[in-house]
Amino acid sequence: QKEVEQNSGPLSVPEGAIASLNCTYSDRGSQSFFWYRQYSGKSPELIMSIYSNGDKEDGRFTAQLNKASQYVSLLIRDSQPSDSATYLCAVLDTGRRALTFGSGTRLQVQP
Amino acid sequence: KAGVTQTPRYLIKTRGQQVTLSCSPISGHRSVSWYQQTPGQGLQFLFEYFSETQRNKGNFPGRFSGRQFSNSRSEMNVSTLELGDSALYLCASSLSRSTYEQYFGPGTRLTVT
Repeated sequence: QKEVEQNSGPLSVPEGAIASLNCTYSDRGSQSFFWYRQYSGKSPELIMSIYSNGDKEDGRFTAQLNKASQYVSLLIRDSQPSDSATYLCAVLDTGRRALTFGSGTRLQVQP
Repeated sequence: KAGVTQTPRYLIKTRGQQVTLSCSPISGHRSVSWYQQTPGQGLQFLFEYFSETQRNKGNFPGRFSGRQFSNSRSEMNVSTLELGDSALYLCASSLSRSTYEQYFGPGTRLTVT
């Protein structure tokens, strides 16, 4: 059973701080990793994809991947109250083209 | 470019009934996947369609089925509904089978009473 693990939170950070969200996965052969943001009552929204070891930056978001440690993280700089949501880590099973999701980390940004 | 659309957005059905949900992918996207989201199990993969063919299936009973049309629109069907089928059903589209980013629609909230 391929698993994706996330701390459910809530992770509470003050406005303007850096929020750090972490995810580990069990399938060592995984190659494709995604972060989705889901507001309460809404559907998941893709915010980052990462395929290679290292960092990938997009605006205030940075995804970090370490395949040797089977670890993916998402950093949100200058956190805003509008960033308050559940962040889902997803790993693609390339053979089945199926995303396996973690249970999500709830982020609360305090004004 | 319009996003993924799903209809209906909300449904209430009775145990034993069947239901059909519809999904229109982003224009030009040809791969459609379906997921079920519940508070207890989270997001789980149901199946993937490409070129009108089911390519992969998750661990769900045969009551869950789907199809894809030549214009890439997809439907999923759940027969003999059970209370445990109450969930948010999400459709996701991607450009092709060689691109990996999946974009979700707003979902259909199904309540079985």
